Amino acid sequence: AQTVTQSQPEMSVQEAETVTLSCTYDTSESDYYLFWYKQPPSRQMILVIRQEAYKQQNATENRFSVNFQKAAKSFSLKISDSQLGDAAMYFCAHNDYKLSFGAGTTVTVRA
Amino acid sequence: NAGVTQTPKFQVLKTGQSMTLQCAQDMNHNSMYWYRQDPGMGLRLIYYSASEGTTDKGEVPNGYNVSRLNKREFSLRLESAAPSQTSVYFCASSEAPGGRYEQYFGPGTRLTVT
Repeated sequence: AQTVTQSQPEMSVQEAETVTLSCTYDTSESDYYLFWYKQPPSRQMILVIRQEAYKQQNATENRFSVNFQKAAKSFSLKISDSQLGDAAMYFCAHNDYKLSFGAGTTVTVRA
Repeated sequence: NAGVTQTPKFQVLKTGQSMTLQCAQDMNHNSMYWYRQDPGMGLRLIYYSASEGTTDKGEVPNGYNVSRLNKREFSLRLESAAPSQTSVYFCASSEAPGGRYEQYFGPGTRLTVT
C-alpha cells in the first residue's frame, strides 16, 4: 500500500518570503512520479510541479522548486518570493499507477 | 475546450436516496477517476477507469458504483446514500493511467447527505 504523509497541517509565510512544505511517502516501486497540487478556495486542483523518481535533478517551475531525496523518500516543496495568490491548500501525491494523496498543508500568506 | 466538467455542483440528499454524479472530459483522455475529499484526509480514490470499457475499485469503493459510458463520460452512482458519504467529489482524467501522466480535475461536487 502507498502512503503519503504531510506532517504540517498549516504553514504561514510573510509575503515575499520563502516557505517549505514537507512530504514523505512510502513505496516499494523503483520508478514512480511525485506531484504537488495546489487547491485554492475555488476548490480547483492545479498541478504545481512534478518529479520523476529516476531523475536526480530537482524539478523547478518558476518560484516553485522541490527537494527530492529518494533514499529518504522525502519530497518537499519550496515556494520562494511568496505571493498572496499562493494562499491555498497544497497536496503532495505519489503516482506509480494511481495517485495517492497526502492530507494537505494549508498555506496562509501574510501581507 | 472545457476540460473536465461535473454536474451537479451541489446536491443535498436524504439518507437512502440515490443519485448519479456525471463527469465528462473533452481532452480525448483514456483514463478517468473518481475521488472524494474529506477534511484532513486529502483525496481518496473511489473508482477508476484505465481505458474505455474497464473499471476498477480504488481505496474506498463501498457504497458506490461507476459506469464508463464512453470515452468521454464516467459516472458515479450512490444507490442508497448515507451520511458518511457527505463529501466533495472530484472527477479527473489523464491521457493514460499512472506514471508521468498528469491528472486534470473537474471543479468538484459538494454532496450533503442528511
